[in-house]
Amino acid sequence: GAVVSQHPSRVICKSGTSVKIECRSLDFQATTMFWYRQFPKQSLMLMATSNEGSKATYEQGVEKDKFLINHASLTLSTLTVTSAHPEDSSFYICSARGSTEQFFGPGTRLTVL
Amino acid sequence: GDSVTQMEGPVTLSEEAFLTINCTYTATGYPSLFWYVQYPGEGLQLLLKATKADDKGSNKGFEATYRKETTSFHLEKGSVQVSDSAVYFCALSDSNNDMRFGAGTRLTVKP
Repeated sequence: GAVVSQHPSRVICKSGTSVKIECRSLDFQATTMFWYRQFPKQSLMLMATSNEGSKATYEQGVEKDKFLINHASLTLSTLTVTSAHPEDSSFYICSARGSTEQFFGPGTRLTVL
Repeated sequence: GDSVTQMEGPVTLSEEAFLTINCTYTATGYPSLFWYVQYPGEGLQLLLKATKADDKGSNKGFEATYRKETTSFHLEKGSVQVSDSAVYFCALSDSNNDMRFGAGTRLTVKP
C-alpha cells in the first residue's frame, strides 16, 4: 500500500527554538496533506489542511503563525513549530490523501524542554 | 459539525474473547466511516471502511456495519489475539472529505 514517511520520528528541543517536521508521500502524489496533533489519551485533532501550491487552511483555534505549513510539492509537506514551548509537546501525525483514501505517517514525537 | 463518539477504554480482554467497540456518529449528508488501528509506537493504519448504509467493512477478522438508522459503526471481532492489542479509532470523512476521529479506545489482550 501507499507509504507516508515523517522525519524526524522524535525530536527534543529547547523552549523558544523552532522545529521542522517533514511529511513525504513515497509512492504517490498527494494534492492534499493533513496535519494532526494527538494529545495523550486523546484523539487526533486536525490542525490544518494543505493543498499543494496554496496556503494551508487552519482549524479554529490553531495559530497559523505558530504552526507554519508549507506544501511545496505533490510529495512533501512541512510543519514548522515556531518558538516552541513545553505545551507544544505532543505527537504530530501527517496524512496524505491519495485517489481513494488517506494514508498516515508514523508520527513525530516532539518534546519541548 | 460532524463528529464521532466512541466507547472509552481501556478495554482489557483475554485471548479468544469477543470484542465490541461502540462507535456512533453525527453528520450532515452521508459520510464514509472508518476504523483505524494504531499499534504501539506506530502511526495509524486503515483497518476497514464502509462508504454507504448497510455496507459491512471487514479485515483481519474485524467487522463493522454502517447502520444509518442508529448512526453507528460498531467494531467487532469474534476472537481476539494478543497481537490485536492497540488503540482503535473510529472516524468519518465529512462533507469536505476531512477526517474526524473518535477519542480512541485502547485494547489490551492478555494471554
